[in-house]
Amino acid sequence: QKEVEQNSGPLSVPEGAIASLNCTYSDRGSQSFFWYRQYSGKSPELIMSIYSNGDKEDGRFTAQLNKASQYVSLLIRDSQPSDSATYLCAVIRNQAGTALIFGKGTTLSVSS
Amino acid sequence: EPEVTQTPSHQVTQMGQEVILRCVPISNHLYFYWYRQILGQKVEFLVSFYNNEISEKSEIFDDQFSVERPDGSNFTLKIRSTKLEDSAMYFCASSEPGLSGNTIYFGEGSWLTVV
Repeated sequence: QKEVEQNSGPLSVPEGAIASLNCTYSDRGSQSFFWYRQYSGKSPELIMSIYSNGDKEDGRFTAQLNKASQYVSLLIRDSQPSDSATYLCAVIRNQAGTALIFGKGTTLSVSS
Repeated sequence: EPEVTQTPSHQVTQMGQEVILRCVPISNHLYFYWYRQILGQKVEFLVSFYNNEISEKSEIFDDQFSVERPDGSNFTLKIRSTKLEDSAMYFCASSEPGLSGNTIYFGEGSWLTVV
């Protein structure tokens, strides 16, 4: 059974700081990784996907993947109060399929 | 921007009753999914659907559940005899895998309360 592990938090950072969110996964064969953001009572919204080792940047967000360590992270630069949400890490459930499995999520709180 | 739409947004039902949750996936997507999220817990995969058949399902998706694409636009989840523990937010999602990967887009959810 594949697992995706995240620290539930809450992670509290001041406005303007860098928030670092971490995720580990159990299946060494996983190839595709996703970060979603979920505001309270709302649906998950894709932030970034990453498939190759290294960093991928999109605006204030950087995803980092280290397949050898089975570790994915998301950095949020210049954190804003509007970034306060739960961040979900997800991996492909089955290499022959398309469905995702999610971690429990890390709650981020950005204070102004 | 195209979006996944779900109805109803909230439904209250009595234990033992049948419930049908409806979804209209993004129009050019071919893969459809149902997920659920019990309050305070993680998003859990139920089932995926492609080419008019189930392509993957989790252990949660037992005989109580069924999915259907009754026409060219709707995708439904039926819960045959609801239990208290079925109370959750149910998310429909869709995707179209391509060269740039497979982005799954979620609807706003249907909140089911079983009493």
